Amino acid sequence: DARVTQTPRHKVTEMGQEVTMRCQPILGHNTVFWYRQTMMQGLELLAYFRNRAPLDDSGMPKDRFSAEMPDATLATLKIQPSEPRDSAVYFCASPRTENTEAFFGQGTRLTVV
Amino acid sequence: ELKVEQNPLFLSMQEGKNYTIYCNYSTTSDRLYWYRQDPGKSLESLFVLLSNGAVKQEGRLMASLDTKARLSTLHITAAVHDLSATYFCAVDVETSGSRLTFGEGTQLTVNP
Repeated sequence: DARVTQTPRHKVTEMGQEVTMRCQPILGHNTVFWYRQTMMQGLELLAYFRNRAPLDDSGMPKDRFSAEMPDATLATLKIQPSEPRDSAVYFCASPRTENTEAFFGQGTRLTVV
Repeated sequence: ELKVEQNPLFLSMQEGKNYTIYCNYSTTSDRLYWYRQDPGKSLESLFVLLSNGAVKQEGRLMASLDTKARLSTLHITAAVHDLSATYFCAVDVETSGSRLTFGEGTQLTVNP
């Protein structure tokens, strides 16, 4: 069953704490996206990787967010320190190839209090 | 900067009726995607449109793409309650594919 797997599904944390979100893309998919969804801003692209190399992370606040892909089976998104405005659903997505749809994970619902 | 605009943003319709959701985008692209999202869930791919004049149909939904007008439509035929969801269009302008910019979404409610 090919799917994008994200962990954790839910995270509640206090302001100032570090948050790490993980994504396991579909095996063989060489591109990984991180999106953030909020009511106010909709779906925003934070960063994306191709063949594990970062191609664009201009959507991320650089001072607190970082994204990595240490191997082909794991992508991570970290927030340190977290702030209440980071509360959102974070999605990871991967397309099989160019010109194919991106498959989305179930998302991590982050609440920073 | 690419802008993707959907209208309407909210749509309430009765079962059995037809309606169209519109997706306009601001720069040249021939790759457009439609997704569905149920409340609290992930995004599910509906259609991939990769050329001018492309038309795809699945059940009561039909999507089309006019790259010259920079417009895609999602037509709903004889709506049923199960179609209630939020529908997103997304446009890809990268030459090497798959960097998506999403519209705001259209929240569709189908009433019995």
